[in-house]
Parts: sequence; structure tokens; C-alpha cells
Amino acid sequence: EVQLLESGGGLVQPGGSLRLSCAASGFTFSNYAMTWVRQAPGKGLEWVSGISGSGGNTYYADSVKGRFTVSRDNSKNTLYLQMNSLRAEDAAIYYCARGYSSGSYYLQHWGQGTLVTVSS
Amino acid sequence: IQLTQSPSSLSASVGDRVTITCRASQGISSYLAWYQQKPGKAPKLLIYAASTLQSGVPSRFSGSGSGTDFTLTISSLQPEDFATYYCQHLYNYVFTFGPGTKVDIK
Repeated sequence: EVQLLESGGGLVQPGGSLRLSCAASGFTFSNYAMTWVRQAPGKGLEWVSGISGSGGNTYYADSVKGRFTVSRDNSKNTLYLQMNSLRAEDAAIYYCARGYSSGSYYLQHWGQGTLVTVSS
Repeated sequence: IQLTQSPSSLSASVGDRVTITCRASQGISSYLAWYQQKPGKAPKLLIYAASTLQSGVPSRFSGSGSGTDFTLTISSLQPEDFATYYCQHLYNYVFTFGPGTKVDIK
């Protein structure tokens, strides 16, 4: 069974940093592209970032480009999102997700999400 | 590439046929997915590549379209289908979601 478990969320001040993790199990992690999606309270979904299975290709939404960095450690079956220079508008539930097949960014499997709050 | 959805919300009854439209600001071929999200839950993939039904999704859901105009159709709305529906494009590696369509009970 595919499982994705996010962690690392919490309260951070504007301008601060946070690193989210997503521990994956139940599949060969290195074979699959991974994605971060966020959802502010009461708002819609926002695609944040994607990374290929090898980690060699990364993609970002314009709203986070230059501030967020996606990475993965295939030896630890873990996906990361390093978030710097956080703003109030970055507050959201952050989901990690996996495609339905190797290399796909159509998101079949999702974690339960981790909440990031940005406030002074 | 921006996505718009219409309507933003709708009220329908069990058994109704429901159609939701997603329009892209430029052509995206068939690189489009549809998701269903219920309150407090992660989204669920319904349709990918514009018209391919994800395994396990009931056949009352269908998708169509290519280029800039896409539709999600629920042929006979069931009680468990009341939710918010999002389209998402997967073109040019910036995979924007649409703003969502909330389907509630009339």
C-alpha cells in the first residue's frame, strides 16, 4: 500500500524558514516523480513544486520560485521542501503527492498534509 | 497558463446530470486532470489525460475535450459526489489548478 506521511509543519514568523518532509513507503520511491501541493484555509488547491524520480529535474510555481527548494533522498525514501523567506500567504496545508505511474505528475496518491502557519 | 472553471458553484439533486467546464488560457493538448475533494480530505484523482478514467472511479464520471476547452460530466449525481471539483493542467511543467467548482445539494 502506498503511504505518504508529511511532517515538519508548524508556526513560523514572516521571513523565517521551515523544512517539510514526506516519508514514502509501499513503492519504489526512486521510480516516481513527486509533487508538493498546498491549500490555504478555505481556499483552492495550489500546485507548488515537482521533482523527477532521479531528482535531476525540478519545477516551481512562480509564487515560490527562488524561495522554496524541492529535493529528495532516494536512499531514505523521503521528499523535502525547504521553504525560506516565508510570507503570510504561504500559510496552508502542504500535501505531498505521487503520480499514478512512474514519471507521471497526475496525482493519484496523496498524504494527509502538514499545516504551515506564518504569523508573528 | 491560467485555468478557469464554470460554474464556480452549483446546486443539484441526486440523479441529475452535472457538467463542469474548465478552460485554459492557451492550448494544452490533452494534458488535463480532474480531482474531487471533500472537506478535510486530500483530493482524489478522477480523470487524467482529459478523458481517461482513473482505476476505481465510477463510470458515471467522464471527461472530454482538448486544446483549451474541457468538461467533466457526472451522468447521475450520487450522494457521495457532493464535493469540490478541480481541474489541473500538466503542460510546460507548471501544473496549475483551476479555482474549483463546488457541487452541493439542492
